[in-house]
Amino acid sequence: EPEVTQTPSHQVTQMGQEVILRCVPISNHLYFYWYRQILGQKVEFLVSFYNNEISEKSEIFDDQFSVERPDGSNFTLKIRSTKLEDSAMYFCASSEQVPPYEQYFGPGTRLTVT
Amino acid sequence: ELKVEQNPLFLSMQEGKNYTIYCNYSTTSDRLYWYRQDPGKSLESLFVLLSNGAVKQEGRLMASLDTKARLSTLHITAAVHDLSATYFCAVDQRWGGTASKLTFGTGTRLQVTL
Repeated sequence: EPEVTQTPSHQVTQMGQEVILRCVPISNHLYFYWYRQILGQKVEFLVSFYNNEISEKSEIFDDQFSVERPDGSNFTLKIRSTKLEDSAMYFCASSEQVPPYEQYFGPGTRLTVT
Repeated sequence: ELKVEQNPLFLSMQEGKNYTIYCNYSTTSDRLYWYRQDPGKSLESLFVLLSNGAVKQEGRLMASLDTKARLSTLHITAAVHDLSATYFCAVDQRWGGTASKLTFGTGTRLQVTL
């Protein structure tokens, strides 16, 4: 069964460093998403992406964040200068263009900023 | 702004008992999802509810949606230890030809004891 994959599974970085989180969505999906979950809290929407541009972003997704689809298979989330409060689990998801538009989530990348 | 609330936040129940988790949301939506999350893991899709009155069942879990009351329920019948996990509802604010956006509830941590 097709699935969303993410790398790395765990990333440790120092405050102020740039990180890139990688995702490979399901191959026939056209909508891509990033969500984050701070430990013990609910899952929060960050951004949606379609047709090579951002469809919508939340207020969390400030200028320090960017997304890119550098080739036909990868979808990346970049954090330019990490802060301690960026420590969280980041989930990538993708969905089809036809009903029921269900989102399928990847296994997540745990980001730890020290 | 859409608000999604679940209750209870924590539920400890004995094996064999029944219980219901409630998910209330603040603005109109016809699409609601239920996910299961085990500690440190990703989100596993349980149910997709797409219209008023929708009811779906899988094993010991049954989910329903009342769009007029803006309420979804997840009913657990004869709980077993394997159901111990955190359960999230998520409301989709956009769909059909545009990227969706899931707003998650606060989560209900279910602990089933022997």
